Amino acid sequence: GQSLEQPSEVTAVEGAIVQINCTYQTSGFYGLSWYQQHDGGAPTFLSYNALDGLEETGRFSSFLSRSDSYGYLLLQELQMKDSASYFCAVRDSGGYQKVTFGIGTKLQVIP
Amino acid sequence: DAGVIQSPRHEVTEMGQEVTLRCKPISGHDYLFWYRQTMMRGLELLIYFNNNVPIDDSGMPEDRFSAKMPNASFSTLKIQPSEPRDSAVYFCASSQRVTNEQFFGPGTRLTVL
Repeated sequence: GQSLEQPSEVTAVEGAIVQINCTYQTSGFYGLSWYQQHDGGAPTFLSYNALDGLEETGRFSSFLSRSDSYGYLLLQELQMKDSASYFCAVRDSGGYQKVTFGIGTKLQVIP
Repeated sequence: DAGVIQSPRHEVTEMGQEVTLRCKPISGHDYLFWYRQTMMRGLELLIYFNNNVPIDDSGMPEDRFSAKMPNASFSTLKIQPSEPRDSAVYFCASSQRVTNEQFFGPGTRLTVL
């Protein structure tokens, strides 16, 4: 089976940088995704890493180390609207498009 | 495109009643997923379809749950009979084979009394 671990809550100051870590255990790893979900909303896709290294998309970056079964989401220049839950999700050999989600990290951005 | 459409947005029912949730995926997407989200268990995959065919239903909790996809533009998730522990937000999502992004609908908040 699969298991993912990420912190349950993180608090950071507006304008700062925050890193949300994710470690995973799975058989047949294909890639790691990140999703954002605001309270009462639906998850929305942020990024996908299949290879080691850093992927940057605006203020958000995502990193993967396949050898360490580890990834992180980096949010820079934090804004109040970044307050949300962030989920890592692993795509494994269970199916071409099937992903397993972590429990999510609730990020609170404070002034 | 309007995105993934789900109905109803909210459903309140009594234990023992049948509940049917509906989903219209994004046109051209060949994968459709049903998820359930609760505080305790997070976001769980119930079942997913590829080209209208169920591929993996190992997440369906029990025989009370069933899902169908009669055509490329419509899917249903049925719970019969419903129980209070089925109370959750149910999301439908769709994706294309060539991408890794799943597009989620707004969800159906189900409350079983």
